[in-house]
Amino acid sequence: SAVISQKPSRDICQRGTSLTIQCQVDSQVTMMFWYRQQPGQSLTLIATANQGSEATYESGFVIDKFPISRPNLTFSTLTVSNMSPEDSSIYLCSVEGRNEKLFFGSGTQLSVL
Amino acid sequence: KQEVTQIPAALSVPEGENLVLNCSFTDSAIYNLQWFRQDPGKGLTSLLLIQSSQREQTSGRLNASLDKSSGRSTLYIAASQPGDSATYLCAVDTSGTYKYIFGTGTRLKVLA
Repeated sequence: SAVISQKPSRDICQRGTSLTIQCQVDSQVTMMFWYRQQPGQSLTLIATANQGSEATYESGFVIDKFPISRPNLTFSTLTVSNMSPEDSSIYLCSVEGRNEKLFFGSGTQLSVL
Repeated sequence: KQEVTQIPAALSVPEGENLVLNCSFTDSAIYNLQWFRQDPGKGLTSLLLIQSSQREQTSGRLNASLDKSSGRSTLYIAASQPGDSATYLCAVDTSGTYKYIFGTGTRLKVLA
């Protein structure tokens, strides 16, 4: 199984600022995924990040709002830009692991005031 | 568009009881289905994965079944324990690209 370190674990931010979330994996993986979990709701896929190419965004998510970097096979960042209270959510990174299972980081609890 | 629904939304049972969590999906053309457990502050843990060609998977006290034709999966938990208290999520991959669509979750509480 993959061990994923995600940070920060939580943050409280002011409206209009940006926050960068980091995701570090203990092994090389091809695909990394970023999910959002809004309060009381289930997970929604934001984008898929492959090393060496631009991230692929799902419907309703755009690069200007959620820029993603994937500089190597063990690391990725997600930035939440120009934040508003509606961005208050848990953000999770995940990777494909052995036997096709998905492994998740512990998440970043973001509150925007 | 694939939609995944889980019933019940919340469940409270006494310790030792066997229980069934339900997951339904609208498009039967799925590649994989996974059941996850979510604990507060700890992210998600994959419990069982069922490939589209399989009917069920077992791990310890957990058994997951899949009926693609009816668009249903169930997670059976035997002899429930307080440590099983968590939110259980099912998710389907419709394309084989690990882009999972998640259900709404069942919040389980097992009372000692």
